[in-house]
Amino acid sequence: EAGVAQSPRYKIIEKRQSVAFWCNPISGHATLYWYQQILGQGPKLLIQFQNNGVVDDSQLPKDRFSAERLKGVDSTLKIQPAKLEDSAVYLCASSILRAVTQYFGPGTRLTVL
Amino acid sequence: DAKTTQPPSMDCAEGRAANLPCNHSTISGNEYVYWYRQIHSQGPQYIIHGLKNNETNEMASLIITEDRKSSTLILPHATLRDTAVYYCIGGGGADGLTFGKGTHLIIQP
Repeated sequence: EAGVAQSPRYKIIEKRQSVAFWCNPISGHATLYWYQQILGQGPKLLIQFQNNGVVDDSQLPKDRFSAERLKGVDSTLKIQPAKLEDSAVYLCASSILRAVTQYFGPGTRLTVL
Repeated sequence: DAKTTQPPSMDCAEGRAANLPCNHSTISGNEYVYWYRQIHSQGPQYIIHGLKNNETNEMASLIITEDRKSSTLILPHATLRDTAVYYCIGGGGADGLTFGKGTHLIIQP
C-alpha cells in the first residue's frame, strides 16, 4: 500500500516570497491533516479536512497560510508571504476516518532566508 | 486531548528491552493512548494505541495502568534502528493529534 506522498521534500525561499506544498494521501482516506514541526518541537496541527471540507483550522495563521482539498483527495498548503519563523517541516497525514490512526508523509522542509 | 509527560531522553543497550514511560493523569475515559515515533528526517510513524487493556503488536507492547494515569511502551529487543523520538499522546477524539516534545530514545551498541 502506497503511503502519504509529499512534494517537494525541500524548499528554500526568501522572506516575503510565496510557497506551496502538495500532499497525496493514502487512497481511500477521507481525513487529511497538515502539521507544522519547528526544530526541536513536536508537530503542531494547522488544519484538518474531512473529504473536501475544513473541520478545524483554528491554529492556521489565516493572514498568510491557506489550504485546500478541492476534490477530496490531494491537498495543497500555501504560505504567502513567508516569514522567517515559518521555517519548519510541514507534514501531511491522512486517516480513513476522523479519530482513528493517522499516517504521516515524509514532510517538506522549508527554509526561509 | 490529555496532557502527557515524558522524560526528555533515555538510553538503552542494543538487544535489551526499552521501556518508555508516559504520565497522562488528565486523560478522560474515552481517550485513547497513542504512541508514535519519529526517526530523524522522517514523518512520525504510528506504533500502537490502547484504551484500557494492554496491547501488543509486531512493533511493541503497551502497558496501561488500571487507573489509566500512566502507560509504558515496551520495545522488547531494541535495535539501533529504534533510535528515535517517541511521542505519547492522549486523544482519539475527532481532532488532530497534540504532540509534546517526546522522549529521545538512544540505543547504544
